Amino acid sequence: NAGVTQTPKFQVLKTGQSMTLQCAQDMNHNSMYWYRQDPGMGLRLIYYSASEGTTDKGEVPNGYNVSRLNKREFSLRLESAAPSQTSVYFCASSEQLGNYGYTFGSGTRLTVV
Amino acid sequence: GEDVEQSLFLSVREGDSSVINCTYTDSSSTYLYWYKQEPGAGLQLLTYIFSNMDMKQDQRLTVLLNKKDKHLSLRIADTQTGDSAIYFCAESLADKLIFGTGTRLQVFP
Repeated sequence: NAGVTQTPKFQVLKTGQSMTLQCAQDMNHNSMYWYRQDPGMGLRLIYYSASEGTTDKGEVPNGYNVSRLNKREFSLRLESAAPSQTSVYFCASSEQLGNYGYTFGSGTRLTVV
Repeated sequence: GEDVEQSLFLSVREGDSSVINCTYTDSSSTYLYWYKQEPGAGLQLLTYIFSNMDMKQDQRLTVLLNKKDKHLSLRIADTQTGDSAIYFCAESLADKLIFGTGTRLQVFP
């Protein structure tokens, strides 16, 4: 059982470069999420998608865009990377929004120099 | 407001009990969760409690909920070295989960 798969696992970018983080789930979940994890700050929600075809901003959306390509895939794009976006990024999915446990991917460690 | 607070570190001896505490501010949360994150991995759901319960037990894990004080705790009995990880509490608000800062549990022999 793959669950939630994120690629790449590690990435180093130069300031101003762009990249897309990929996420796919094979559990037929409706909702998907992107979080970033920074030391001492826990997980902060960047964007989420309640269902295929919808996306909404979370707590820290600035500097990011997302695409819910289909039910399985939810990508996160950094158009012009900044050092403040150095973080570990986690994708998660759940059956529905709201009161359900999330399944997390193993994360992408991104460094912007 | 949306604010979930945890202490950052906890160190316990192997075989002792660990108690990890969490406070939250929004009384409308219907579910509260505990997640475990091992080094280099994503978060794994450990257990959850519905807001109309005050206790839930699952093998070595006991969750206590005090709604009046908005306080949640996770007790791990007979703590083992494999329990060393970061533990996050989370509350559900409308359509998203709000996570605490995480408590790093270190178990020493």
